[in-house]
Amino acid sequence: EIVLTQSPGTLSLSPGDGVALSCRASQSVSSIHVAWYQQKPGQAPRLLIYGASSRATGIPDRFSGSGSGTDFTLTISRLEPEDFAMYYCQQYGTSPYTFGQGTRLDIK
Amino acid sequence: EVQLLESGGGLVQPGGSLRLSCGASGFSFSRYAMSWVRQAPGEGLEWVAVISNGGGTTDYADSVKDRFTISRDNSKNTLYMEMNSLRVDDTAVYYCVVATGAHWGQGTLVSVSS
Repeated sequence: EIVLTQSPGTLSLSPGDGVALSCRASQSVSSIHVAWYQQKPGQAPRLLIYGASSRATGIPDRFSGSGSGTDFTLTISRLEPEDFAMYYCQQYGTSPYTFGQGTRLDIK
Repeated sequence: EVQLLESGGGLVQPGGSLRLSCGASGFSFSRYAMSWVRQAPGEGLEWVAVISNGGGTTDYADSVKDRFTISRDNSKNTLYMEMNSLRVDDTAVYYCVVATGAHWGQGTLVSVSS
């Protein structure tokens, strides 16, 4: 099983800040099979990024994804109030299609 | 508009069974693989199972293998999950997901408790 480790676990930032969230895999993952999701309390997750770097439909361009091999990053260039939420990475190239444990983005 | 509507969750005793359903609309259901993903209370996301667009290929997380069965009826645009030998640690919100990850249902809560 490919284990995805997200860091940091929690971040406290202010609107307007930029942030880079890390997702590290225990073995190499094909970039085309890495996704990032945002989840707010009481809601289903929302797809932000697929294929490591492609934005899903309707996702603002302040969200970007990058990485390859075992290291992947979700970057949010200027945090808006609605961006404070949980973020999960997922690999869907090798079964089981594992998720990271999540990074919580809090308002400072 | 894509809609995924799960049903069938509820309270069940350990060792019991449940059948979840997910009705799909707004897209060509038969063209897409579908997954179930669950989330225990206060916890992260866990992929549970996937089924190919035609239903001929399935795959499961080890934690549910031999207890859960994913299936679909493309004529009814419906995805299913038969859940047997339920355990307390199966308690979670179960989401129906288009396998691309782009569309999720609102989830249905399964609670396993005596």
